[in-house]
Amino acid sequence: SQQGEEDPQALSIQEGENATMNCSYKTSINNLQWYRQNSGRGLVHLILIRSNEREKHSGRLRVTLDTSKKSSSLLITASRAADTASYFCVPYGGSQGNLIFGKGTKLSVKP
Amino acid sequence: GAVVSQHPSRVICKSGTSVKIECRSLDFQATTMFWYRQFPKQSLMLMATSNEGSKATYEQGVEKDKFLINHASLTLSTLTVTSAHPEDSSFYICSAPGTGGLTEAFFGQGTRLTVV
Repeated sequence: SQQGEEDPQALSIQEGENATMNCSYKTSINNLQWYRQNSGRGLVHLILIRSNEREKHSGRLRVTLDTSKKSSSLLITASRAADTASYFCVPYGGSQGNLIFGKGTKLSVKP
Repeated sequence: GAVVSQHPSRVICKSGTSVKIECRSLDFQATTMFWYRQFPKQSLMLMATSNEGSKATYEQGVEKDKFLINHASLTLSTLTVTSAHPEDSSFYICSAPGTGGLTEAFFGQGTRLTVV
């Protein structure tokens, strides 16, 4: 099993700005998933990008994947205060039996 | 999407007592459920994988006699913290993979356990 490493660990922006979070991983993947965790709550699955995809969109979210560099990025456009949360990337190899979480990026969006 | 219901959301108990946390998949069957714990400002740490009809698989360093897991049916898994101590105070979260396997995981709301 492998976990992703998110960067930066913390990000503070103003409402309306874009937020970019990066993720690196070590071994080949089947897919990579992004999750959000609001403070004191469970996690919510945001988006999944497969290893043969380079970019995926969902609403204000844009995810890119570069398998040659073993990296991914999550872009949140026109951020809102409600986007304040921790964001985790989870690289999934397809054979592992569970999902492993890294330390995440703590995003703070100020109104 | 699929819903996983976890309760209680908060519990305070005295040292030495046991606490049971329930995790239910509401609109799908979960043959597997994962239990995590999360300390403040830390990431989730996988404690164990519960499997319906068989024994749970515990991660290294997790005491199976202290954290009892029972996966009694395809929609219910329980975690019992036995003889709780203040150091067991943490945020416990369960999750279940979706029907597509681990392409998506659905999480409970979490349980904040405080042992006094």
